[in-house]
Amino acid sequence: DAGVIQSPRHEVTEMGQEVTLRCKPISGHNSLFWYRQTMMRGLELLIYFNNNVPIDDSGMPEDRFSAKMPNASFSTLKIQPSEPRDSAVYFCASSLEGGWEQYFGPGTRLTVT
Amino acid sequence: GQQVMQIPQYQHVQEGEDFTTYCNSSTTLSNIQWYKQRPGGHPVFLIQLVKSGEVKKQKRLTFQFGEAKKNSSLHITATQTTDVGTYFCAGNYNQGGKLIFGQGTELSVKP
Repeated sequence: DAGVIQSPRHEVTEMGQEVTLRCKPISGHNSLFWYRQTMMRGLELLIYFNNNVPIDDSGMPEDRFSAKMPNASFSTLKIQPSEPRDSAVYFCASSLEGGWEQYFGPGTRLTVT
Repeated sequence: GQQVMQIPQYQHVQEGEDFTTYCNSSTTLSNIQWYKQRPGGHPVFLIQLVKSGEVKKQKRLTFQFGEAKKNSSLHITATQTTDVGTYFCAGNYNQGGKLIFGQGTELSVKP
């Protein structure tokens, strides 16, 4: 199994630019999660999908953040416009079913200058 | 809302010493999961506890789930340098798959 795939692995951008993070979950997994990890706030759930449908987006910081899952094998997290405080590691994770063990991708380290 | 508190935040031990991290929830959990994140890596699933009072072992690691299903612990016997990393508990409140992660305990092991 390839595991959860995320791209890019590193992203450096200037404040105000649009950033798109990509995730390919493990084939056959029905649930997909986006997390943000920082030293100050730890590991935060941003949004999760069941069967491609957003279930809970209460963790999305503000309207600058949006996430989509157009099909079972692809999801994006977009930040527009980006701000320095968005700098963090963003993880995508998938699980066979909601509530089961989650498999995390390697993460995208985002730096906004 | 639901919150999972985890202590301690940091633990520094000498190789061979034991280590324990604790998680507490204010409300009853459906189940609890434990993850390990190596420095620079991503969280990796270790185990899931479901039953009240459940105890599971993985080699030197012992996981417990409280009788009231509100607390859990991870105990490592005779730590090794390979145990270095951050250990997270994650509570499931049976809300369709959402996990609430604790703040994590960062373990460092001095050889």
